[in-house]
Amino acid sequence: DAGVIQSPRHEVTEMGQEVTLRCKPISGHNSLFWYRQTMMRGLELLIYFNNNVPIDDSGMPEDRFSAKMPNASFSTLKIQPSEPRDSAVYFCASSNEQWDPPQAYEQYFGPGTRLTVT
Amino acid sequence: DAKTTQPNSMESNEEEPVHLPCNHSTISGTDYIHWYRQLPSQGPEYVIHGLTSNVNNRMASLAIAEDRKSSTLILHRATLRDAAVYYCILRANYGGSQGNLIFGKGTKLSVKP
Repeated sequence: DAGVIQSPRHEVTEMGQEVTLRCKPISGHNSLFWYRQTMMRGLELLIYFNNNVPIDDSGMPEDRFSAKMPNASFSTLKIQPSEPRDSAVYFCASSNEQWDPPQAYEQYFGPGTRLTVT
Repeated sequence: DAKTTQPNSMESNEEEPVHLPCNHSTISGTDYIHWYRQLPSQGPEYVIHGLTSNVNNRMASLAIAEDRKSSTLILHRATLRDAAVYYCILRANYGGSQGNLIFGKGTKLSVKP
């Protein structure tokens, strides 16, 4: 298995531009997570999907951020408009969660996208 | 969320055992203890998890105190590749957002040749 795939690996953009980050989860996994990591705030969960449905988006910083999961094999995280404070490494992770009975399995993380907004 | 306390950093010599401590005095009965690690410039990776009993896998061992208020991740023979930030995380055994991972600052492990 190729693991979680993220693209691009690096993105440099100017303030005000739209940025789209992409993620392909591990085949067969039913849960997908977007995280952001900065030196100041560490690793933060932004949004969590289960079976393509957003379950918890309380970590999304503001309306400039949006995430979609149109099918089980693809998700996007979009920032519009981008700002310098959005500069961070964005990780996507996937897992095979079961709710009945509830069992939380390990999450598998992608290599991340390093975003720089100038 | 139940919190964990870890030392900011630790040092080890190559090929020696490493014991990484974690305190979690407010752990609840449904919380599993998970360990992840993050190598430089990579995403976090799962290491091990347990509930009450000690656990072993190919990567490490997890020793859990009888009162579950602390645990220790044991790397039996540290290698240079084990240099990473190690995160101890309490995770409720529920589905949905109650089972989300909450990462703290972790312990940065340095391994000297």
